[in-house]
Amino acid sequence: EAAVTQSPRNKVAVTGGKVTLSCNQTNNHNNMYWYRQDTGHGLRLIHYSYGAGSTEKGDIPDGYKASRPSQENFSLILELATPSQTSVYFCASGDPGGVVAEQFFGPGTRLTVL
Amino acid sequence: GDSVTQKQGQVTLSEDDFLFINCTYSTTTYPTLLWYVQYPGQGPQLLLKVTTANNKGISRGFEATYDKGTTSFHLQKASVQESDSAVYFCALVGGNYKPTFGKGTSLVVHP
Repeated sequence: EAAVTQSPRNKVAVTGGKVTLSCNQTNNHNNMYWYRQDTGHGLRLIHYSYGAGSTEKGDIPDGYKASRPSQENFSLILELATPSQTSVYFCASGDPGGVVAEQFFGPGTRLTVL
Repeated sequence: GDSVTQKQGQVTLSEDDFLFINCTYSTTTYPTLLWYVQYPGQGPQLLLKVTTANNKGISRGFEATYDKGTTSFHLQKASVQESDSAVYFCALVGGNYKPTFGKGTSLVVHP
């Protein structure tokens, strides 16, 4: 069974603090993605990766960095968190060039920046 | 770049009603068009895929079709149940493999 896990599941941070969200996948997919979900905006792509060592900017990368140290792990880093980054963050893995082009999503991380 | 427009923010139906959700898209490539469903407290999961080759996908009683002429694809179900209450997203995967999602449609089905 395909599996994507995220940690932490909930996080409260202070403005100006550093936040790291972690994602692990056991699907052996090359591609991984970070999204944020906000009411009225749907899912917006922050960063993605084609494989270990690669990161690409998505549609809303400002204020975020990403790291892909291995096939299995993909992190999202907020160096200086702001209240506007309060959101639910989803990680996904996938093989978009494959037959199905499906992404498998994790359960999400709810981040609150005070 | 690629774009997807999903205008229906919320749809409220009664059980056994007909469901129709529409998306329009813009891309310069030959896209794969998908529908995802998200239940409360969970991440989205794939419901259906439609390719520009087969024009149609069917799963769990849902049907998705594609119209190249109007660059639109829609999701329909003949008779919804309360358990279908969820958020439905349309999505496009273009030639660069970067997915683009619509804003989502929240479906509420009353018993």
